[in-house]
Amino acid sequence: TQLLEQSPQFLSIQEGENLTVYCNSSSVFSSLQWYRQEPGEGPVLLVTVVTGGEVKKLKRLTFQFGDARKDSSLHITAAQTGDTGLYLCAGGRSGGGADGLTFGKGTHLIIQP
Amino acid sequence: DTGVSQNPRHKITKRGQNVTFRCDPISEHNRLYWYRQTLGQGPEFLTYFQNEAQLEKSRLLSDRFSAERPKGSFSTLEIQRTEQGDSAMYLCASSFGGELFFGEGSRLTVL
Repeated sequence: TQLLEQSPQFLSIQEGENLTVYCNSSSVFSSLQWYRQEPGEGPVLLVTVVTGGEVKKLKRLTFQFGDARKDSSLHITAAQTGDTGLYLCAGGRSGGGADGLTFGKGTHLIIQP
Repeated sequence: DTGVSQNPRHKITKRGQNVTFRCDPISEHNRLYWYRQTLGQGPEFLTYFQNEAQLEKSRLLSDRFSAERPKGSFSTLEIQRTEQGDSAMYLCASSFGGELFFGEGSRLTVL
């Protein structure tokens, strides 16, 4: 079983601060996705990274895929209260695969005003 | 609305009863997935369809769980003889070979 470990599990910071959350595995993934989930809702895709070393930016969010395609990070600059939520990383195999995605347990992020 | 639709959104049932959840995927998506998510955890893969074929079902939690996608469009997930440990959010997702798009989930509470 391919496991994805996310850290920290919980993070509470003040609005305007920067933060980084991590997603690590001992296995190689063909792609890695980051989702954001709000209470009572399904996960919403933020980004997909597929190339080792790839960096993608989505406004104040910067996503990086490790060179070996085993780990990823999400950096948020100048966090806002609207960034509050559960951030999930999920690894995929080539072609999607019958296993779908393997999810980490997520990082619960709270941005305080 | 062209997203993934799930119903009911909430279901409260007594232990021992059967429940069924329905998922309507995005219309052009040929792949459909069911996941379970318990409080504080990430989604856990249950089963997967490509069109009407169920290609992976070994991860269903027990033989009380079954899923169908009879015409390759909507899918149902049935849980028979529910137990309190079945209480969770059941998520459906669809894709066309790439990114997964999730529905809002069906929350099950077993009393």
